[in-house]
Amino acid sequence: TQLLEQSPQFLSIQEGENLTVYCNSSSVFSSLQWYRQEPGEGPVLLVTVVTGGEVKKLKRLTFQFGDARKDSSLHITAAQPGDTGLYLCAKGDSGYALNFGKGTSLLVTP
Amino acid sequence: KAGVTQTPRYLIKTRGQQVTLSCSPISGHRSVSWYQQTPGQGLQFLFEYFSETQRNKGNFPGRFSGRQFSNSRSEMNVSTLELGDSALYLCASSLGAGTYTEAFFGQGTRLTVV
Repeated sequence: TQLLEQSPQFLSIQEGENLTVYCNSSSVFSSLQWYRQEPGEGPVLLVTVVTGGEVKKLKRLTFQFGDARKDSSLHITAAQPGDTGLYLCAKGDSGYALNFGKGTSLLVTP
Repeated sequence: KAGVTQTPRYLIKTRGQQVTLSCSPISGHRSVSWYQQTPGQGLQFLFEYFSETQRNKGNFPGRFSGRQFSNSRSEMNVSTLELGDSALYLCASSLGAGTYTEAFFGQGTRLTVV
């Protein structure tokens, strides 16, 4: 199982700031998914990126898939307290399992 | 349409007991996967079922088992519980076909072993 490394592990920022979190692997992956998990809830799928160099936007969230398909980033513009949560990246592993990174825990304070 | 439903939401069990957790997938989804989430290890894959057949299994001891019924509902069982089994157990459903395993998660069952 190839490891997905996420950084930073923790991030605490003020409302209105911008931030970027990263997901890296030593191996190429065919697709990557980003999830957000709020305390006491299951992860919720935000986006799937498939093509190297792909950029997807979801309101204030911008997702990028690296050209070599070994890394991905999530950029949040003007963070809000509602963005607080655990951001997880995941890749399909062995076809039917998701291999998750350990996540970036984001806290946005007013 | 209704999301993934897991029951119960919370469980407290004693070491040595066994436990059964239930998952009802999104209507039309034939694949159900189970994950264990702990603060130290994060989300780890347990197993995946499709049309009542286990297609993939993670690196967990045999005390962890599961099954899927003809209506795609799934159960997982943990026997001889250990303190380290305390975790959030998440079920995810997907269509189960195609290259991308876009998974939709339930709220999880919080298991505490004392």
